[in-house]
Amino acid sequence: IAGITQAPTSQILAAGRRMTLRCTQDMRHNAMYWYRQDLGLGLRLIHYSNTAGTTGKGEVPDGYSVSRANTDDFPLTLASAVPSQTSVYFCASSDSSSVDEQFFGPGTRLTVL
Amino acid sequence: GQNIDQPTEMTATEGAIVQINCTYQTSGFNGLFWYQQHAGEAPTFLSYNVLDGLEEKGRFSSFLSRSKGYSYLLLKELQMKDSASYLCAVRDSNYQLIWGAGTKLIIKP
Repeated sequence: IAGITQAPTSQILAAGRRMTLRCTQDMRHNAMYWYRQDLGLGLRLIHYSNTAGTTGKGEVPDGYSVSRANTDDFPLTLASAVPSQTSVYFCASSDSSSVDEQFFGPGTRLTVL
Repeated sequence: GQNIDQPTEMTATEGAIVQINCTYQTSGFNGLFWYQQHAGEAPTFLSYNVLDGLEEKGRFSSFLSRSKGYSYLLLKELQMKDSASYLCAVRDSNYQLIWGAGTKLIIKP
């Protein structure tokens, strides 16, 4: 693995179903983030984790949950998917350097019908 | 509220120079980022400004004026591969990034 991987690449999901988007990084970054990107809108932060064992809510957390059991993995769960959760989801990580730029995974395109 | 404004779309000619503007109103300021995002791909980091002035990195430069809440990204010697969306983001007082909607740059031969 090099950088950040996300799975699945894309998914079509029936409304009401539970879904977990996976995110794994091998850069030993402390901080990880989940964003959604919708046409005409900027990236919006769903949840974040500053270090393993801690998580926080972002701008649009409702309907989503996360966990951070270790440094490398940061899964995002939709407990009961709704059509408004149709979006492209990006996972990112950063290393708390002075610049602290975020590195992004390739994204998961999710469609909820 | 927090707000990042940038033009929705710009068109430029191969070989030319283009300036993409970004204005912001945020609760606190801890740096401004520019990212490039090709269609269907992830954003990738281009530049970071935390102090006023110009940061130059090859064909790309980024400028910041904190007093005016303003930044621009300058792309020189445009190439077709520069066709992408350019995202402006500000790190706020909570150290979270607030993102603009992005500027789609179209390069014509």
